[in-house]
Amino acid sequence: QVQLVESGGGVVQPGRSLRLSCAASGFIFSNYVMHWVRLAPDKGLEWVALLSKDGSEKYFVDSVKGRFTISRDNSKNTLYLQMSSLRAEDTAVYYCARDFGSHGALDIWGQGTMVTVSS
Amino acid sequence: QSVLTQPPSVSAAPGQKVTISCSGSSSNIGRNYVSWYQQLPGTAPKLLIYENDKRPSGIPDRFSGSKSDTSATLGITGLQTGDEADYYCETWDSSLSAYVFGTGTKVTVL
Repeated sequence: QVQLVESGGGVVQPGRSLRLSCAASGFIFSNYVMHWVRLAPDKGLEWVALLSKDGSEKYFVDSVKGRFTISRDNSKNTLYLQMSSLRAEDTAVYYCARDFGSHGALDIWGQGTMVTVSS
Repeated sequence: QSVLTQPPSVSAAPGQKVTISCSGSSSNIGRNYVSWYQQLPGTAPKLLIYENDKRPSGIPDRFSGSKSDTSATLGITGLQTGDEADYYCETWDSSLSAYVFGTGTKVTVL
């Protein structure tokens, strides 16, 4: 079935790095724009980043620019989020999501992976 | 703070109707498609409405979306206890070159 599965979350100290992965199955991964979205404790959803189908176009929310990078390996059907210089405010559940129409319609979501930034 | 403003909460009795507003500007809602999501506690968001007023397959017609100028609205009719959740609007902001979510609205069924 169509599915996204995130992994790589955990507890990390401020200033350190972490890489999240999102494994896709059940659909042609390379045909879709992909996004990362996060939900911090007691906060609302926050869009984090998107990556075009071929990986050539990337966009980020201002708060992570210069610290996070997004990439994909279409041969492995996997999306990545490399997070560096992590801050306490990056603590959140991180979701990857498929954009089925390339207009921000996120129709398939993973279960999420928790990232906790704490000393 | 998000550039898309939603009421923090709305409530109604079972069977009634609620509407959730999403107020933006000419750089976001005014020129781009709006999507709406439902997030039940502890679960991933679920797409309810895309391209302002379209429903994905499997979403009942109790859910509807509309857009006018720089605002969008989600309507839920025949309210059910299972509709208790957080609801978010989302769109592209052409000035920020980023997607933005609304501040979120908690729906309570009385």
